[in-house]
Amino acid sequence: NAGVTQTPKFQVLKTGQSMTLQCAQDMNHNSMYWYRQDPGMGLRLIYYSASEGTTDKGEVPNGYNVSRLNKREFSLRLESAAPSQTSVYFCASRLLAGGDTDTQYFGPGTRLTVL
Amino acid sequence: RKEVEQDPGPFNVPEGATVAFNCTYSNSASQSFFWYRQDCRKEPKLLMSVYSSGNEDGRFTAQLNRASQYISLLIRDSKLSDSATYLCVVLRSGSARQLTFGSGTQLTVLP
Repeated sequence: NAGVTQTPKFQVLKTGQSMTLQCAQDMNHNSMYWYRQDPGMGLRLIYYSASEGTTDKGEVPNGYNVSRLNKREFSLRLESAAPSQTSVYFCASRLLAGGDTDTQYFGPGTRLTVL
Repeated sequence: RKEVEQDPGPFNVPEGATVAFNCTYSNSASQSFFWYRQDCRKEPKLLMSVYSSGNEDGRFTAQLNRASQYISLLIRDSKLSDSATYLCVVLRSGSARQLTFGSGTQLTVLP
């Protein structure tokens, strides 16, 4: 099992450019999440998908959109990148079949710089 | 006030030392609690869940005090490989069932 995979690993964008971050999991998990991590701020939830076919806003959704393409894949799109979106982005997945102690697994992250 | 608060450190301790990290959470309806470990420039990984009665996993002991809304992690006989950032994580109650992460406590174990 590859677990949670993310592409790309690194990206540099100019202000105003768009891009999509890809995430896939092969653990048959129901829920998937996108976080950003900034120094001193911890992980902040951008969007999540509790199950296939649903998506909801997290703590910091402005400037982002998501698509839960199928059970395996959950993508994050920046329509018009801004320097404030420079961050490390982590995708995660969790089984969420009723167990509160389900482990949440993270992908390796995408390091995004917006100039 | 942040929902989950941790002392950011850094904690610099010699090999073999015992070190303790604390965490407080503000939502009294929080249901489940965890410690995650994050190595430099890597993804977070689950270290251990925290149970009401306290629990141990080798050199690691986690405690929960619901009345004080306080979680702790004790590491005994520190190893160089324990150097990392330790994230306190709380599961929100309700249908969202999202995890809320503290900003982490940085630990460096020195030879």
